[in-house]
Amino acid sequence: GAVVSQHPSRVICKSGTSVKIECRSLDFQATTMFWYRQFPKQSLMLMATSNEGSKATYEQGVEKDKFLINHASLTLSTLTVTSAHPEDSSFYICSARGTLTNEQFFGPGTRLTVL
Amino acid sequence: AQKITQTQPGMFVQEKEAVTLDCTYDTSDPSYGLFWYKQPSSGEMIFLIYQGSYDQQNATEGRYSLNFQKARKSANLVISASQLGDSAMYFCAILDTNAGKSTFGDGTTLTVKP
Repeated sequence: GAVVSQHPSRVICKSGTSVKIECRSLDFQATTMFWYRQFPKQSLMLMATSNEGSKATYEQGVEKDKFLINHASLTLSTLTVTSAHPEDSSFYICSARGTLTNEQFFGPGTRLTVL
Repeated sequence: AQKITQTQPGMFVQEKEAVTLDCTYDTSDPSYGLFWYKQPSSGEMIFLIYQGSYDQQNATEGRYSLNFQKARKSANLVISASQLGDSAMYFCAILDTNAGKSTFGDGTTLTVKP
């Protein structure tokens, strides 16, 4: 299957700093990418849907000024957590959908810890 | 809105036996897709099996099969001949083919006993 990478896999930062997470589709073009957040032992909660070249669509309750999403190319989407606080500590997972199938291909996830 | 319900927070199965993980869904769309994913402790989401709403036959992938009962709106995952490596969290998800996004259930933690 198609491969999606995420970088970094793990990040620890101080409260108040911003953190950028990259999601790349390595061997296919992803017109749509999704960003999820997952707390321990819980489900994946969709944060936003990003389409290449346009603004992301955020789910209800997700602060778009807090979680900046950029989908500048067909292989790269970034999530920036601005002014991170301890409550932002979570597992962030991206997924990418190609043009030919309905299947989503997931990245390995990024574990963010805000001190 | 679409909804997925997984009623089993945790399940145990003996190695080499079969196990069924329950999933029911709710949608008003005539066209949708149903997925099962495995999430081991490492966190990565591993695709297991897919069933389209118009597929006539139940999907199978190796030891995984999906018991799709459309009238009951259920899409249970059957794992045959369980292995220790099957211990993980399992998520059922429904795809909104119009919006292109998926809704996930709360997951079931499966533990395979030796």
